[in-house]
Amino acid sequence: GDSVTQMEGPVTLSEEAFLTINCTYTATGYPSLFWYVQYPGEGLQLLLKATKADDKGSNKGFEATYRKETTSFHLEKGSVQVSDSAVYFCALSGGGMDSSYKLIFGSGTRLLVRP
Amino acid sequence: EPEVTQTPSHQVTQMGQEVILRCVPISNHLYFYWYRQILGQKVEFLVSFYNNEISEKSEIFDDQFSVERPDGSNFTLKIRSTKLEDSAMYFCASSGGLAGANVLTFGAGSRLTVL
Repeated sequence: GDSVTQMEGPVTLSEEAFLTINCTYTATGYPSLFWYVQYPGEGLQLLLKATKADDKGSNKGFEATYRKETTSFHLEKGSVQVSDSAVYFCALSGGGMDSSYKLIFGSGTRLLVRP
Repeated sequence: EPEVTQTPSHQVTQMGQEVILRCVPISNHLYFYWYRQILGQKVEFLVSFYNNEISEKSEIFDDQFSVERPDGSNFTLKIRSTKLEDSAMYFCASSGGLAGANVLTFGAGSRLTVL
């Protein structure tokens, strides 16, 4: 079945450092790809998305490019802030022939940014 | 900005008791979902609901679980006889507005503790 694999955390960075969180996927069909963020004590918030190969999703300085050839959707940010400390989830949707809209999540990567 | 609201935010119950978790999805959304997250683990799909019926469910969603949309606004998850391993954060989500059917908006979650 469809699945998402993320790099294990925690990832600890100093403020203004460059961030990469790796995400790869396995899916039949042509899934849409997402990054969701979960701040401490809160629910899941959509950070960015990409719906087809070579699309780049971006939001709040974060970017991710849908790479079909490597089945990847790595999350990047050029300069992280303390306020970016959270758990980041990679997810896919709609990869199956039944066009299910449910999201399949990776295991999440905790990011800790130190001042 | 429209949001998904969930109640209660935290419920403590005794093993074997029935629990109902409530959700108010975004008003113009057509697809509804329940997910759960056991502490420190990945977000797992439970069930999706569309057109007043279950459209997909996971193997976790056994006979102890049921969902209902009793009126035009609420979407509930019932656990008939709770077990210790049902302790988790339960997230409701909805989709199907202008952002698209595959862009899920999540609530803040209901934490269930089974003693």
